[in-house]
Amino acid sequence: AQRVTQPEKLLSVFKGAPVELKCNYSYSGSPELFWYVQYSRQRLQLLLRHISRESIKGFTADLNKGETSFHLKKPFAQEEDSAMYYCASGMDSSYKLIFGSGTRLLVRP
Amino acid sequence: NAGVMQNPRHLVRRRGQEARLRCSPMKGHSHVYWYRQLPEEGLKFMVYLQKENIIDESGMPKERFSAEFPKEGPSILRIQQVVRGDSAAYFCASSPLSVNEQFFGPGTRLTVL
Repeated sequence: AQRVTQPEKLLSVFKGAPVELKCNYSYSGSPELFWYVQYSRQRLQLLLRHISRESIKGFTADLNKGETSFHLKKPFAQEEDSAMYYCASGMDSSYKLIFGSGTRLLVRP
Repeated sequence: NAGVMQNPRHLVRRRGQEARLRCSPMKGHSHVYWYRQLPEEGLKFMVYLQKENIIDESGMPKERFSAEFPKEGPSILRIQQVVRGDSAAYFCASSPLSVNEQFFGPGTRLTVL
């Protein structure tokens, strides 16, 4: 079955430390990949999509087809980055998003 | 634009009752998606609708669940004869086109006693 895996439920780092949230997908085709973020008491919102190749709030993510990964990275974490992060893939058709189980990022002062 | 609206935000039902969850998409959006999130899991696709049409309901349980998006009014996700296993957060998303970014609502948390 097509799947998106986020192996870490919780990632805790100190402010200023680098962050990498892992995401792996299983799909033989050409997926469209996304990172969504949910800050405390807010709704889920799109952070990044791989086709745009943007850097949002200092976060970047590169699609690695060889490793089937789309890890989210930020060189220097900020306290306001603390949130729940979900990796998602649009497989077969981009409207049917398949989500990972999420990683809670906690950035400590 | 107020964003995707969902109501109620919290819904408590006893086993065997019906649950109706409403979703008003963003203005100008004619595509609606419903997702369910069980505890400790990611969001799982349930159904994709356009105005008056169900496009893809491959993620909907075969029984008790139905969805509609009428010409006028919000999209409705209906769960008949709820069971404890239906307790979850139900999220609605909308987009102007099927290949665009999906904008999510705040979710409805259903608790079945």
